[in-house]
Amino acid sequence: AQSVTQPDIHITVSEGASLELRCNYSYGATPYLFWYVQSPGQGLQLLLKYFSGDTLVQGIKGFEAEFKRSQSSFNLRKPSVHWSDAAEYFCAVTHGGATNKLIFGTGTLLAVQP
Amino acid sequence: KAGVTQTPRYLIKTRGQQVTLSCSPISGHRSVSWYQQTPGQGLQFLFEYFSETQRNKGNFPGRFSGRQFSNSRSEMNVSTLELGDSALYLCASSLGPVGGDEQFFGPGTRLTVL
Repeated sequence: AQSVTQPDIHITVSEGASLELRCNYSYGATPYLFWYVQSPGQGLQLLLKYFSGDTLVQGIKGFEAEFKRSQSSFNLRKPSVHWSDAAEYFCAVTHGGATNKLIFGTGTLLAVQP
Repeated sequence: KAGVTQTPRYLIKTRGQQVTLSCSPISGHRSVSWYQQTPGQGLQFLFEYFSETQRNKGNFPGRFSGRQFSNSRSEMNVSTLELGDSALYLCASSLGPVGGDEQFFGPGTRLTVL
């Protein structure tokens, strides 16, 4: 069965520091991978997605993610975190067929220290 | 263009009652998906509709149902509410039912069951 694991429930970083949020997936075929961000009281906003091709994908707000098939990982990174990045981040997978069904990880709550 | 609209934003019901939540997708989008978000279970897929047809359903009891209208607006209904149904219900719309289509999420309906 498809699954997504985000090992870090909560992460705290200092403003200006680099960030890496981990995501591992379990899926038989090549997955379609996504990172979403959710601010308090808000819906989900898509940061970036990977379908195929270049394994390093760029997203909005200065985020990037790298797909590593050998490690079944799709980690999210940002070189310098801003206080406004404090939010919950979700990794998700779908199989790219005729369905939009997303399987989400449990999320990582990011706190940013001044 | 206007985003995904969900009404109502907040709802308080008592056990045994039923509730109907509404989702208006982005203009031109024909696919609507619903998700339940709880602290314990995270984000879980409920159902997916395209052109008034349910294409996929998550692992929820029959008390959870939905439909889509010809204008792509969607409703979900929960009958005989239980305390555990308290959650944020998110709706997402996309152009079509293809896994690669970007899904845009609404702000959600916060349902509290007392």
